[in-house]
Amino acid sequence: RKEVEQDPGPFNVPEGATVAFNCTYSNSASQSFFWYRQDCRKEPKLLMSVYSSGNEDGRFTAQLNRASQYISLLIRDSKLSDSATYLCVVNTGGFKTIFGAGTRLFVKA
Amino acid sequence: EADIYQTPRYLVIGTGKKITLECSQTMGHDKMYWYQQDPGMELHLIHYSYGVNSTEKGDLSSESTVSRIRTEHFPLTLESARPSHTSQYLCASSEGQGDGEKLFFGSGTQLSVL
Repeated sequence: RKEVEQDPGPFNVPEGATVAFNCTYSNSASQSFFWYRQDCRKEPKLLMSVYSSGNEDGRFTAQLNRASQYISLLIRDSKLSDSATYLCVVNTGGFKTIFGAGTRLFVKA
Repeated sequence: EADIYQTPRYLVIGTGKKITLECSQTMGHDKMYWYQQDPGMELHLIHYSYGVNSTEKGDLSSESTVSRIRTEHFPLTLESARPSHTSQYLCASSEGQGDGEKLFFGSGTQLSVL
């Protein structure tokens, strides 16, 4: 079983749609959590950190459920420019940063 | 915007050649990393460094080696390239904050070994 699991998608949604991605992690000792965005043939870029209290950055909302070892990302009012692969990332301390394989999103006009 | 640079961006080379992938960062980060990523797959850590003269192997076994003689520079070397080394290599550095290590990546080197 992979340490970080994501639905690979792809998710095909129209502009303006709300889309939610989920991620589960296996190590209960995990300490910090992030969502990264990766465009095709580009490097990953940090999108946002994820907290148990939930956090919002514009149209993006991230949530962590430690009891269920579950992380989510909600994108509201999808834009064409949101098309990318979204990586769930978990750090269990020090250098132990684990990347999920990513969920692909296609937003269409 | 993060300041971490990788060269070359693309490299096509024959089997048996020695290659060095360059990575430099201007942010003064102590921690640096090399990841390997195949298309559609997750990133795998192959090397990391705590600081100058510190290097460790990551989770994914790799025939490459690294060095860290200066804080800003973390090159990766393959003594004898093989087709199985064909992949994208991503260099990163990080700063630790209250909410964990945030990684900043270079643009990557796409390596093709013929």
